[in-house]
Amino acid sequence: DTGVSQDPRHKITKRGQNVTFRCDPISEHNRLYWYRQTLGQGPEFLTYFQNEAQLEKSRLLSDRFSAERPKGSFSTLEIQRTEQGDSAMYLCASSLVPGFTSGNTIYFGEGSWLTVV
Amino acid sequence: AQSVAQPEDQVNVAEGNPLTVKCTYSVSGNPYLFWYVQYPNRGLQFLLKYITGDNLVKGSYGFEAEFNKSQTSFHLKKPSALVSDSALYFCAVRPRVDSSYKLIFGSGTRLLVRP
Repeated sequence: DTGVSQDPRHKITKRGQNVTFRCDPISEHNRLYWYRQTLGQGPEFLTYFQNEAQLEKSRLLSDRFSAERPKGSFSTLEIQRTEQGDSAMYLCASSLVPGFTSGNTIYFGEGSWLTVV
Repeated sequence: AQSVAQPEDQVNVAEGNPLTVKCTYSVSGNPYLFWYVQYPNRGLQFLLKYITGDNLVKGSYGFEAEFNKSQTSFHLKKPSALVSDSALYFCAVRPRVDSSYKLIFGSGTRLLVRP
C-alpha cells in the first residue's frame, strides 16, 4: 500500500507531556498538510509544506505546536506541554501540485488519535 | 468568510432506496468541490471531485454528485443505498485562487442505511 501513512495511530499522554506524530506522504507528492479533527467536527487546517518549506500556518497552530519536513519527505508534528484541549485526531494529507490551477486531489492518512488525560 | 454547510447532522435511508447528502458553500469565485467519507476511527477517503465541465460527477462506490452553480450546492447522491455506505460524509471546497490548495470542510453528515 502506497498511501499516506501515520504513526502512531493512537496516543494517550498525561497533560504537560510532549508528543510527536509522524507522517509519510505518498512518495511523489510534494505537498503535505496537517489537519486536526475533533469529535463532531470536520477537519480544520493546521499547516502545510511544499517540499521542505512550511508555507502557511493556521492561527490554530499555537506556539506549542511545531511541524517539520526536513528533507521534503516525511513530516513530524510535535505538541509540547499538551493540554486536554489538544485531544483530537491529527490527520496528515498529501497531494501533487504540478500547477496553480490544478484540481489535484488531497489524500488523507488514517489519522493519529491523541488523548490527553 | 468562506464556509461549507451540511445542513443535516444525520440522514437515514433504507437499503435499496436512493440517498442524498446535502452540501452548500459560500466561497468566492468557482471553487473546486470534493466529497470524502470517513468510517469509524479511520481517516478520510476521497470519493469524488468537481473541477469543471459536466455538472454531474461520478465517483467511487457508485456515488455521484450534482453541482449547481446558481444554488452554490454540491449534493452527494447514490441511486441505491447499501448498509455498508453507513459512515460520516464530508463536503469540502477549495478556492481556486488559494495557492495553498487547503480544503475547507463542512461539519459532516452521518449516513445511516438500515437493512
